[in-house]
Amino acid sequence: SQTIHQWPATLVQPVGSPLSLECTVEGTSNPNLYWYRQAAGRGLQLLFYSVGIGQISSEVPQNLSASRPQDRQFILSSKKLLLSDSGFYLCAWSVGSNAINTGELFFGEGSRLTVL
Amino acid sequence: RKEVEQDPGPFNVPEGATVAFNCTYSNSASQSFFWYRQDCRKEPKLLMSVYSSGNEDGRFTAQLNRASQYISLLIRDSKLSDSATYLCVVNASPLNSGGYQKVTFGTGTKLQVIP
Repeated sequence: SQTIHQWPATLVQPVGSPLSLECTVEGTSNPNLYWYRQAAGRGLQLLFYSVGIGQISSEVPQNLSASRPQDRQFILSSKKLLLSDSGFYLCAWSVGSNAINTGELFFGEGSRLTVL
Repeated sequence: RKEVEQDPGPFNVPEGATVAFNCTYSNSASQSFFWYRQDCRKEPKLLMSVYSSGNEDGRFTAQLNRASQYISLLIRDSKLSDSATYLCVVNASPLNSGGYQKVTFGTGTKLQVIP
């Protein structure tokens, strides 16, 4: 079966510090990968998605970047965090082009970031 | 108008009650529809898919009305463990397309089941 794992689960960082969140998927190949952010009391905002290694699409201009160095690895980064980067970050995957896709997304456990 | 709209609630209901949530979506080209459940400070988890013919999973029944662009979720015999936020999710990507899934999430309806 497929699993998705992201880490760290919780982090508190000062303004201006760097960020690296990592996400890995097991049990599937060539998944589509996504990074979402959920601010307190708000819906999920898509930040980045990737349909393959090295292929990154950004949905909103921001202080963050994403990379996909391996098929099942997705990384969210920042060189200098802002207060507004605080939130709940969720990695997700969906079935890639080599399998039947019924449209669902599957989420990792989430990473709660507080920028002080 | 938001792409996916839900009543944020909270819906406070006693154990054993029946509760219904509604959701409307604006993109008539939407192809697949889902309800997700999100517990406090946790990730969203798929509860069930929603089909035009209606589908039932135990105490949960979901319905889709494409003409009215409306999705519903009915929970019968509510349990304390049903307390959570329920997200309405709409996917505009063609069915069985393997690429990026254009998914839009509602902001969720909060349910609190009271003893």
